[in-house]
Amino acid sequence: DVKVTQSSRYLVKRTGEKVFLECVQDMDHENMFWYRQDPGLGLRLIYFSYDVKMKEKGDIPEGYSVSREKKERFSLILESASTNQTSMYLCASSFTRAAETQYFGPGTRLLVL
Amino acid sequence: RKEVEQDPGPFNVPEGATVAFNCTYSNSASQSFFWYRQDCRKEPKLLMSVYSSGNEDGRFTAQLNRASQYISLLIRDSKLSDSATYLCVVNTNTGNQFYFGTGTSLTVIP
Repeated sequence: DVKVTQSSRYLVKRTGEKVFLECVQDMDHENMFWYRQDPGLGLRLIYFSYDVKMKEKGDIPEGYSVSREKKERFSLILESASTNQTSMYLCASSFTRAAETQYFGPGTRLLVL
Repeated sequence: RKEVEQDPGPFNVPEGATVAFNCTYSNSASQSFFWYRQDCRKEPKLLMSVYSSGNEDGRFTAQLNRASQYISLLIRDSKLSDSATYLCVVNTNTGNQFYFGTGTSLTVIP
């Protein structure tokens, strides 16, 4: 079974803090993704990566950065957290560049005070 | 215009009912189509891929209409355990972006 894990299920941070969200997959998938999910807006893509050290902006990259130093790990960084970044963050991975199924981690609920 | 649009519902149906969801997509170059299921406070999980000829998996049937750019999901003999949000997902195959609908909420009532 594919396993995608995220470092925290729940996180509370203060405005201006730097926040790291970690995602690890164990199936040697090339592609990894970070989404945020908000009521009424669905899943929106923040960044994705199709190879180590490669990254591409999604639909809403502002205020975020990512790091992929190893194939199995994709990190999302909030340089200076703001209240409008309170959300559910979901990491996903998929195999090959073709449109394969995405497998999601359990999500991190981030509250920025 | 959104890439993928779904009726958010909610759909409240009695056990045993048949229910259908539709989803439209805007990019005619889209090549891959999926239905995901998301339970409350959980991550989305693949329910089924949607193939050009339509496909069935038990009580679930998925259809694709390329001319009208919509996909559908039919659930027969609804069970209480079918209560969830159903997400329509589309990929163009030209990049690595998957486009998600906002989801359709289904509640199956005893």
